[in-house]
Amino acid sequence: QQPVQSPQAVILREGEDAVINCSSSKALYSVHWYRQKHGEAPVFLMILLKGGEQKGHDKISASFNEKKQQSSLYLTASQLSYSGTYFCGTLTMTTDSWGKLQFGAGTQVVVTP
Amino acid sequence: GAGVSQSPRYKVAKRGQDVALRCDPISGHVSLFWYQQALGQGPEFLTYFQNEAQLDKSGLPSDRFFAERPEGSVSTLKIQRTQQEDSAVYLCASSLLGTGREKLFFGSGTQLSVL
Repeated sequence: QQPVQSPQAVILREGEDAVINCSSSKALYSVHWYRQKHGEAPVFLMILLKGGEQKGHDKISASFNEKKQQSSLYLTASQLSYSGTYFCGTLTMTTDSWGKLQFGAGTQVVVTP
Repeated sequence: GAGVSQSPRYKVAKRGQDVALRCDPISGHVSLFWYQQALGQGPEFLTYFQNEAQLDKSGLPSDRFFAERPEGSVSTLKIQRTQQEDSAVYLCASSLLGTGREKLFFGSGTQLSVL
């Protein structure tokens, strides 16, 4: 089952912060975050494994709340280069195979000067 | 190679034609994945290989879709008797092992348009 992302889109001014949420109806094993710019390949940002960890990548960080079965991606002091569509991908504890990473519909982020 | 390579970059097919999409994963990567991405949507899982073994094909939408990876490296996704609803970007990805604990490296995709 695909995770649900919110919001669908967000417009930021450079320097502002944003949060993107990813929720699952099933217990999660891992959450992956990717960013895709128009016409390009999705690019890996980070993976979070069950255990409630938080990770960071430059000024982009993420948390994983096992109990709530959700992950949040935090864009801090956004830069123009952060524009793109962000996807979360999830593997659930009941996933039949480790390869079946399922992605949400994406959150479009536009950062303006 | 330096990254995941997909060809062709664009493919236009008439309805009813067969098409073959190629994916060259990163050298040494054990796992290979195919995804279908409709306009404005997230990638949707199609199938997954570990080496030459197709471990999961539950996402293939119909028996018109067929994927293979005969020698555990290059993979081909074949779509027979294409329909308009097959129009999408087909993404290929590879990973070193495929344990669910590592990142996927995506190719730029093949954009398929069925007229």
